[in-house]
This record gives sequence, structure tokens and C-alpha cells, in this order.
Amino acid sequence: EAQVTQNPRYLITVTGKKLTVTCSQNMNHEYMSWYRQDPGLGLRQIYYSMNVEVTDKGDVPEGYKVSRKEKRNFPLILESPSPNQTSLYFCASSPSIGPYEQYFGPGTRLTVT
Amino acid sequence: AQSVTQLDSHVSVSEGTPVLLRCNYSSSYSPSLFWYVQHPNKGLQLLLKYTSAATLVKGINGFEAEFKKSETSFHLTKPSAHMSDAAEYFCVVSDGGYGNKLVFGAGTILRVKS
Repeated sequence: EAQVTQNPRYLITVTGKKLTVTCSQNMNHEYMSWYRQDPGLGLRQIYYSMNVEVTDKGDVPEGYKVSRKEKRNFPLILESPSPNQTSLYFCASSPSIGPYEQYFGPGTRLTVT
Repeated sequence: AQSVTQLDSHVSVSEGTPVLLRCNYSSSYSPSLFWYVQHPNKGLQLLLKYTSAATLVKGINGFEAEFKKSETSFHLTKPSAHMSDAAEYFCVVSDGGYGNKLVFGAGTILRVKS
């Protein structure tokens, strides 16, 4: 089944403790992206990647890192999480740049205390 | 810069009555427009998309949307609401350019009353 998977689905952590949220897609898509969803703000892009080893900042990159060493994986790294990073995070992928549907993962709900 | 405005944060309809969710957009390019739906505690699912072909776009579950360039609108409609339509709906614009960024509206929560 074609899908985007994320792990973990739920995470509660403390300020400053490094964490990684994994994202993997099995559709051989070139493009991958991370979004965060906050009430009343819709989804905002954090980082994106157009292919292996090519990443760039979205609208809200502060406090986040990403890497794209393999085509299928695009982990999101929070090196020193803070409470304002408490949010619902979505990974998405699409075949390439262009008017393609982006396929979303199930989401990761992160709480930073 | 692109932007999306969803004109209603909440819409409430009775089962069997029409649904109208309003969306206006701003884009410097020829935009691609999407509607996504998010059911409670679920991910996002594509309802339909407009990519410069027919201006009336049909999607899944009986939804459709009409692209009106002169009004910069892309409203979502359904003739008859079903209880299962209760969800949050997002209007999204993309220019498909560098970054392939999707710009999301703030969302409209649709409530369907029995």
C-alpha cells in the first residue's frame, strides 16, 4: 500500500531533550516536506526537500533540522525542544515539484513540557 | 506571495442540506488549488484539485469546487450533507514553483446536524 508513515504518533517530552520524528514514504517520491498544524493557523511548512541531499527552509524553520540521506526518509530533528514547539506535525510527499497532490502521513502529536 | 482566506471558521448544516465552504486566494502565478479534508484524529486527505483544466472540478464523496479567476475564489460545495462529512476542511494554494510549497487556509470546521 502506498503510504507515508511517521513515528512516533504521540510524544511527550521535556524542554531541551533532543528528539527525532521519522518519516518514510514508499512511493519513490522526490519531494518531501514537514508541516506543523496549530489551531486557527492551518498547516505551515517547516522544511522541504526536492531530492536526496537537497533541503531548504519553509516558513517556520527555527528550532528544527532535517536531513535527506535516502530518497524514502526525511526525519525531523528538534535538538533542544521548547514548549512553543508543542504542535501536530505532518510529513508529506509528492512525485516532484508541480501541481501534484501531496500525500500526508498520519501526524505526530508532540507535547513539550 | 500566495495566501488563502477561508471566509468561515465554522459552518453548521443539517443533514441532507447543501454545503458551501468559501475560499478566496491570492497568487502571483497561475495557481494550483486544492481542498483537503481532515477527520478528527486523522491525517489529511485530498478531496479535489484544480490545475488549469476545467474550472468546475469534481472530487470524492460528492464534493465539487468551481475556480473563478475574476473573483479569485475556489468555493467547495456539496448538494446534500451527510453526517460523515463532519470534519475540518482546508483550502490550499500552490504555485508549483521552487519549494513546491502548499499554503494552507486556516480551516473551516463543518458540523452536520441530524
